[in-house]
Amino acid sequence: AQKITQTQPGMFVQEKEAVTLDCTYDTSDPSYGLFWYKQPSSGEMIFLIYQGSYDQQNATEGRYSLNFQKARKSANLVISASQLGDSAMYFCAFSDSNYQLIWGAGTKLIIKP
Amino acid sequence: EAGVTQFPSHSVIEKGQTVTLRCDPISGHDNLYWYRRVMGKEIKFLLHFVKESKQDESGMPNNRFLAERTGGTYSTLKVQPAELEDSGVYFCASSHRNWGNTDTQYFGPGTRLTVL
Repeated sequence: AQKITQTQPGMFVQEKEAVTLDCTYDTSDPSYGLFWYKQPSSGEMIFLIYQGSYDQQNATEGRYSLNFQKARKSANLVISASQLGDSAMYFCAFSDSNYQLIWGAGTKLIIKP
Repeated sequence: EAGVTQFPSHSVIEKGQTVTLRCDPISGHDNLYWYRRVMGKEIKFLLHFVKESKQDESGMPNNRFLAERTGGTYSTLKVQPAELEDSGVYFCASSHRNWGNTDTQYFGPGTRLTVL
């Protein structure tokens, strides 16, 4: 069965520093997708970035990039030049041919001014 | 383009009562999903519609939960009768293409359900 793990329940980072949020997954399927979502205190779930298992390059979206290491089964989210507005819960999620998303426990990120 | 909307944002009911949650997906999205996050636990999949048909309802916890998607547009999730353990945040998501793991799901703001 697929499993996804976020080992950092919480992180404090100084504003303007880069931050890496860890995510590892376990699957035997060759085709899958990995997603990161942000959930601010207001509660909505905001899509950030996607990485496909067959993608040759790491995904990037503005200040977000995904450090995809397929052999290690890790898909860490990197946020460059962190801002106060980046404070939120961050969830890593996995999807295979079953379409449904399987979620990690989340990491609470707090950016310090 | 309007995002996924959910109604109500909050619902407080007593054990044994019925509650109906509604989700309006992004226009044109054939795929609609329901997820739930119970306090202190991970977000869990409930079910997946493709248009009006249930593609996968393997995550539905029991027969007190009934989901429908009328005409392939909005969806409702009814809990009858509600139990204490049903408390949590219910998220709805929609996606456009039927390409499985490459399909980005866009989420609504969630409905926070409290059963007393």
